[in-house]
Amino acid sequence: GDSVTQTEGQVALSEEDFLTIHCNYSASGYPALFWYVQYPGEGPQFLFRASRDKEKGSSRGFEATYNKETTSFHLQKASVQESDSAVYYCALGEDTGNYKYVFGAGTRLKVIA
Amino acid sequence: DTTVKQNPRYKLARVGKPVNLICSQTMNHDTMYWYQKKPNQAPKLLLFYYDKILNREADTFEKFQSSRPNNSFCSLYIGSAGLEYSAMYLCASSRDRREGFNQDTQYFGPGTRLLVL
Repeated sequence: GDSVTQTEGQVALSEEDFLTIHCNYSASGYPALFWYVQYPGEGPQFLFRASRDKEKGSSRGFEATYNKETTSFHLQKASVQESDSAVYYCALGEDTGNYKYVFGAGTRLKVIA
Repeated sequence: DTTVKQNPRYKLARVGKPVNLICSQTMNHDTMYWYQKKPNQAPKLLLFYYDKILNREADTFEKFQSSRPNNSFCSLYIGSAGLEYSAMYLCASSRDRREGFNQDTQYFGPGTRLLVL
């Protein structure tokens, strides 16, 4: 079945560090790919998406490029801030007649000032 | 207002007793979803309503019920809670089923934390 695998556990960085959270997917069709961010006490919030190969999604300084060849959608940010501390989820959505929406397990980002 | 509300925020239930969780949205969204989230695991889609049509995942078909009396409200019902039901339950909505899965964003509520003892 469809699956999403992302960087496990927690990533700890200092402010202004470069961020990469890896996301790889497995799908039977041609899914849309999403990144969500979750702050404490809140539900996940949509960050951005990409729907086709080589499409770049971006928001709030975060970006990721859909790579069909490597089945990846890695999240990057050039310079993180303490306020970016949150849990980040990669997800895929697919409609091949059988609707699927699959999340990764989440990666906790902790940015130290 | 892009808010999805969930009630209660915390729920304590006894094994074998029923549990009913409520979700509401005022965005006139066509589709509403329920997810189960356990620590260190991915949110798992349990079921979703597109308008009045309920779609349940195959492995949760018998464990969860749901109703959607109108466009704004959706409930998740557990007939007899077991210890394994302890989790965070997230409700979400999206403007259109097809757009929700392929294109559009899902808006999530803050979740209901269910503890079964």
